[in-house]
Amino acid sequence: AQKVTQAQTEISVVEKEDVTLDCVYETRDTTYYLFWYKQPPSGELVFLIRRNSFDEQNEISGRYSWNFQKSTSSFNFTITASQVVDSAVYFCALSGLYNAGNMLTFGGGTRLMVKP
Amino acid sequence: ETGVTQSPTHLIKTRGQQVTLRCSSQSGHNTVSWYQQALGQGPQFIFQYYREEENGRGNFPPRFSGLQFPNYSSELNVNALELDDSALYLCASSLVVSSTAGYEQYFGPGTRLTVT
Repeated sequence: AQKVTQAQTEISVVEKEDVTLDCVYETRDTTYYLFWYKQPPSGELVFLIRRNSFDEQNEISGRYSWNFQKSTSSFNFTITASQVVDSAVYFCALSGLYNAGNMLTFGGGTRLMVKP
Repeated sequence: ETGVTQSPTHLIKTRGQQVTLRCSSQSGHNTVSWYQQALGQGPQFIFQYYREEENGRGNFPPRFSGLQFPNYSSELNVNALELDDSALYLCASSLVVSSTAGYEQYFGPGTRLTVT
């Protein structure tokens, strides 16, 4: 069985603050994929990143960075110098190598509110 | 490049009725997945269609069924609607070239179904 836990249900920060969204996962697969999606109020899930279990290098894309630590089964997401437009619900998701139907298992999401 | 589109945007049905939701996949994609997202929760995988056949199913009863057409568009049908079926239904498309998982899935804006 697979499970994704996002312990932070809501985070509120002031613009320009850095913020880290936590994600902890459970899987018995040795090969798996981790994802982050952003869901703005419009409802559409926006793909942000995919990492496979063999690539533990941290990744940076503009103000976004991801820290994958296999030893602690965590895949955390940091937004540097947050902006009001970053306000959304963020989901972490997991897919095993042989998941039937390429199924994504999502966490419960973290609602990020960035105040001006 | 055309993104994933879904119709209708909103729908109100009465308990016991049947509903059909539609999805057009992103240009070049051959696989469509459906997810149910209850209010305040992460999306739950319903099923995926690949080459017009169901290719994996989540923990949903048989009254949830689907179709995929030769142009890769898809329908989700729900019979005997229950109040708990009220949710945002998300369609995601991807380009799958093998039986393994981990493919990036691109989501549409969703259909919000309300059952009264």
